[in-house]
Amino acid sequence: QKEVEQDPGPLSVPEGAIVSLNCTYSNSAFQYFMWYRQYSRKGPELLMYTYSSGNKEDGRFTAQVDKSSKYISLFIRDSQPSDSATYLCAMSAPTGNQFYFGTGTSLTVIP
Amino acid sequence: DAGVTQSPTHLIKTRGQQVTLRCSPKSGHDTVSWYQQALGQGPQFIFQYYEEEERQRGNFPDRFSGHQFPNYSSELNVNALLLGDSALYLCASSLRQGTYEQYFGPGTRLTVT
Repeated sequence: QKEVEQDPGPLSVPEGAIVSLNCTYSNSAFQYFMWYRQYSRKGPELLMYTYSSGNKEDGRFTAQVDKSSKYISLFIRDSQPSDSATYLCAMSAPTGNQFYFGTGTSLTVIP
Repeated sequence: DAGVTQSPTHLIKTRGQQVTLRCSPKSGHDTVSWYQQALGQGPQFIFQYYEEEERQRGNFPDRFSGHQFPNYSSELNVNALLLGDSALYLCASSLRQGTYEQYFGPGTRLTVT
């Protein structure tokens, strides 16, 4: 079983839609949860991070962590064509030395 | 403020050869991590360097080795290249060991033929 599971998609939505991206994990020691955005042929860019459980909002982006279900989500409101990219979830234990990534979900927002 | 830089951008090598990839961390960062990202996959942790020592290692063979210099820059060396080593190699830097805030470089795309 992989440490982190993420539906690879692809996901295609119309401009303005609400997008929901999800990951599940198996290691209960994970405490830091991150979402990265990766454009084609570029390195991942840190979008949001959350420590332990709860919600965090930043503009059009909301990250949610449910540790009891080992489930994390990223919501994108009012999606834009510029949001088209691959979204990677990542997580780590408190030492933070090693990040475990999902496989990434490919998102296309259609104008 | 310069971000994480990596060189070269692309590299083509033959099976059995050796390769060295280079990374300069974001200004002020002292910790460097290396990841391998195969096509269509998420990055896989190779190892992390802090204070010029390998602090943690992922599930990669000894063919993968690294080094960190006093100026915090780092090298990743891969010996006896295999076709399966073809991937995007990413370097990430952070301010200190154990932080969640890792900043990635653009990567080096390695093709092994």
